[in-house]
Amino acid sequence: GAVVSQHPSRVICKSGTSVKIECRSLDFQATTMFWYRQFPKKSLMLMATSNEGSKATYEQGVEKDKFLINHASLTLSTLTVTSAHPEDSSFYICSARQGTTNYGYTFGSGTRLTVV
Amino acid sequence: GDSVTQMEGPVTLSEEAFLTINCTYTATGYPSLFWYVQYPGEGLQLLLKATKADDKGSNKGFEATYRKETTSFHLEKGSVQVSDSAVYFCALSEGFQKLVFGTGTRLLVSP
Repeated sequence: GAVVSQHPSRVICKSGTSVKIECRSLDFQATTMFWYRQFPKKSLMLMATSNEGSKATYEQGVEKDKFLINHASLTLSTLTVTSAHPEDSSFYICSARQGTTNYGYTFGSGTRLTVV
Repeated sequence: GDSVTQMEGPVTLSEEAFLTINCTYTATGYPSLFWYVQYPGEGLQLLLKATKADDKGSNKGFEATYRKETTSFHLEKGSVQVSDSAVYFCALSEGFQKLVFGTGTRLLVSP
């Protein structure tokens, strides 16, 4: 089946530095990639949606200059947390959709970001 | 807008007990409905789905039926195992739009 590889699985960084998270679709072309943030014991909050070759569409309240999303190819999307602060510590999950089906979502295994 | 409401957790059961996790939704059209499962420290895995009214999704002993008249998609399993302990998310997607998730329900199964 479809697999999305997300890494790193865990990262600790110092406050003020930037962190890049990668998601790769291993055996299919991800025309759309979704990036979520999950707070402890809470649901997933959609941060942004990106289509290959286009600028990402950010949800209301998400700082686009802080959370940089790149979807330069059909198999790779990246989320860069710039100038990270402790409040950015969270679990980030990507999800890839192949084509335009409304049920073909495959999730990455998530990245636990801790900013110290 | 579209929304999904799940029962509050945690749901605590003994092994082999019957499980029901309630899920209701609000949508303007005819969404597809999903249940996802998240094990500790991991991403989400699709558990089952239903794309139209009266469809029944099933997988690994779990079932859910798309009830348009009650706008519900309750998750059931006849006999839970310790390994079923996880967080379960109900979700919908309308047209080719994004997934909308419920808040998740934590299931704890004790031996």
